[in-house]
Amino acid sequence: GDSVTQMEGPVTLSEEAFLTINCTYTATGYPSLFWYVQYPGEGLQLLLKATKADDKGSNKGFEATYRKETTSFHLEKGSVQVSDSAVYFCALGSGGYQKVTFGIGTKLQVIP
Amino acid sequence: DAMVIQNPRYQVTQFGKPVTLSCSQTLNHNVMYWYQQKSSQAPKLLFHYYDKDFNNEADTPDNFQSRRPNTSFCFLDIRSPGLGDAAMYLCATSIRLAQETQYFGPGTRLLVL
Repeated sequence: GDSVTQMEGPVTLSEEAFLTINCTYTATGYPSLFWYVQYPGEGLQLLLKATKADDKGSNKGFEATYRKETTSFHLEKGSVQVSDSAVYFCALGSGGYQKVTFGIGTKLQVIP
Repeated sequence: DAMVIQNPRYQVTQFGKPVTLSCSQTLNHNVMYWYQQKSSQAPKLLFHYYDKDFNNEADTPDNFQSRRPNTSFCFLDIRSPGLGDAAMYLCATSIRLAQETQYFGPGTRLLVL
């Protein structure tokens, strides 16, 4: 079945540091890939997504590239801010189904 | 703004006392989902509706039920809450398929005393 493997946190960075959160997946067919972010006490919200191989999703300075050859969708940001502190979930959606598979989530804490 | 609304944001119930959580959407999406999220864990899908078609996950306890009386509203009923059911419950919608973006509500945090 489909699965998402995501690096465990927490990840603690200083402000303006470079961020990478690794995500790899297994899936049949050609899934869509997502990064969702969850701020404390809130629901999840879409950060970015990619629907086919080599697509790059980007939003708010975050980027992730759909790599089919390595089955990866790593999240990166060049310079994190305190306001980026949240839990980040990698997820995939397989064609023809309504179910989304989530990774375990990576908590990011950015300190001033 | 079109959105997903969950009420209440916090719900306290007693052990064994039935409780209902509600979700409404103004997005007119076909699919509505209920997730359970415990502390520091990924959301766990309980069930979803595609229009009126109900889809239960195999490992969702019978204690959890759902109703979708119309496109806009979906309810989560917990018939006899146990202490282990204390969690955040998230409602989400999508247009059609899992390849598309899911839109989440803010969640209802359930406390069982």
